Amino acid sequence: SAVISQKPSRDICQRGTSLTIQCQVDSQVTMMFWYRQQPGQSLTLIATANQGSEATYESGFVIDKFPISRPNLTFSTLTVSNMSPEDSSIYLCSVTDLDGRNTEAFFGQGTRLTVV
Amino acid sequence: QKEVEQNSGPLSVPEGAIASLNCTYSDRGSQSFFWYRQYSGKSPELIMFIYSNGDKEDGRFTAQLNKASQYVSLLIRDSQPSDSATYLCAVRNYKLTFGKGTLLTVNP
Repeated sequence: SAVISQKPSRDICQRGTSLTIQCQVDSQVTMMFWYRQQPGQSLTLIATANQGSEATYESGFVIDKFPISRPNLTFSTLTVSNMSPEDSSIYLCSVTDLDGRNTEAFFGQGTRLTVV
Repeated sequence: QKEVEQNSGPLSVPEGAIASLNCTYSDRGSQSFFWYRQYSGKSPELIMFIYSNGDKEDGRFTAQLNKASQYVSLLIRDSQPSDSATYLCAVRNYKLTFGKGTLLTVNP
């Protein structure tokens, strides 16, 4: 399985500011995703990070709030913009290789964000 | 709305017993099915995946899939206190959709 490094692992931020989360994979992967896990909830997909093109956002998530970059096949960033306390959550990077039937998804260790 | 439903629990079993975790899904086009384990404060860890109807065994874990009934289950044999965690069912039809998870507690 791919080794995924995500940073920062946690942060406490002031409302109105922005935080950029980085996701680095030790091998080239086809698909990279960003999830949010709010307290006591399951994982919600924010967007699919597409290499060389704009990310594909899920319903309820917009680029202005969660801009995403993916400059190559091993790296992506998610920015949480103009943060409010409602953005306090765990943000997770996930990767998968759609190679035949190998469609398992693996997760980074997550970024625990608290907005005050 | 494609949904994945799990009993939130908590499910409590004694050490050494079999823990049975269940999951239903609404999208008939789903092709891949996964079970993740998530310890408190940690990220999800893949423990099993299954693509075809029937059973798949890996050590103490058995995943069962019935596509006609849109049902996936996970059996944990000889449950250990270290198995205490939230178990997330995930279903893929292009993208992964997660259930809310079942909290399992294994009592020594």
